[in-house]
Amino acid sequence: AQTVTQSQPEMSVQEAETVTLSCTYDTSESDYYLFWYKQPPSRQMILVIRQEAYKQQNATENRFSVNFQKAAKSFSLKISDSQLGDAAMYFCAYRETQGGSEKLVFGKGTKLTVNP
Amino acid sequence: DTAVSQTPKYLVTQMGNDKSIKCEQNLGHDTMYWYKQDSKKFLKIMFSYNNKELIINETVPNRFSPKSPDKAHLNLHINSLELGDSAVYFCASSQWASGSMKVEDTQYFGPGTRLTVL
Repeated sequence: AQTVTQSQPEMSVQEAETVTLSCTYDTSESDYYLFWYKQPPSRQMILVIRQEAYKQQNATENRFSVNFQKAAKSFSLKISDSQLGDAAMYFCAYRETQGGSEKLVFGKGTKLTVNP
Repeated sequence: DTAVSQTPKYLVTQMGNDKSIKCEQNLGHDTMYWYKQDSKKFLKIMFSYNNKELIINETVPNRFSPKSPDKAHLNLHINSLELGDSAVYFCASSQWASGSMKVEDTQYFGPGTRLTVL
């Protein structure tokens, strides 16, 4: 089974600064999908960004971008111009295919605090 | 026009009771999931259904019984609730990519149901 590791239980950033959240994963597949989800205190799971492994170009969504290093099995999330509303738990997830369906395997999450 | 909805959002009950959580999606997806988030915020798959058929059952105790009356609904019934069942339960849905066809298969989550067993 694939595993996803987020080595930073907590991170903090000053408003308007940039922060990078780390994620590594273990897989023997060559084609797969990776995701970052955000969970604010409201507990809603919100998709932040999605990366397809066969695409070499790093995904970008406004202030959010990833650094996808396939050979290193690394998938970090960069948040630019941090805002107070970015404060949340961030989960890295790998989409694993099993028995004709898929499931998400999550890391343990990184709690991001944004300081004014 | 909520995409994935769950009811109730909060559920407080006594040990030994039986309870159900309902989930509905209006995205036209054919696959639905239940995830459990424990007190340490760790999320783990419990079940997935594709077109009303059980696909994944991640060694969940048989006190948990999912039911999918149609592909837009996936309910979770829990018998004989235990203290350790206290958690947040998330429903999610996606469109399953079959064969070599790649479709938008992002999983969209409901708001979660916080279950507290006393």
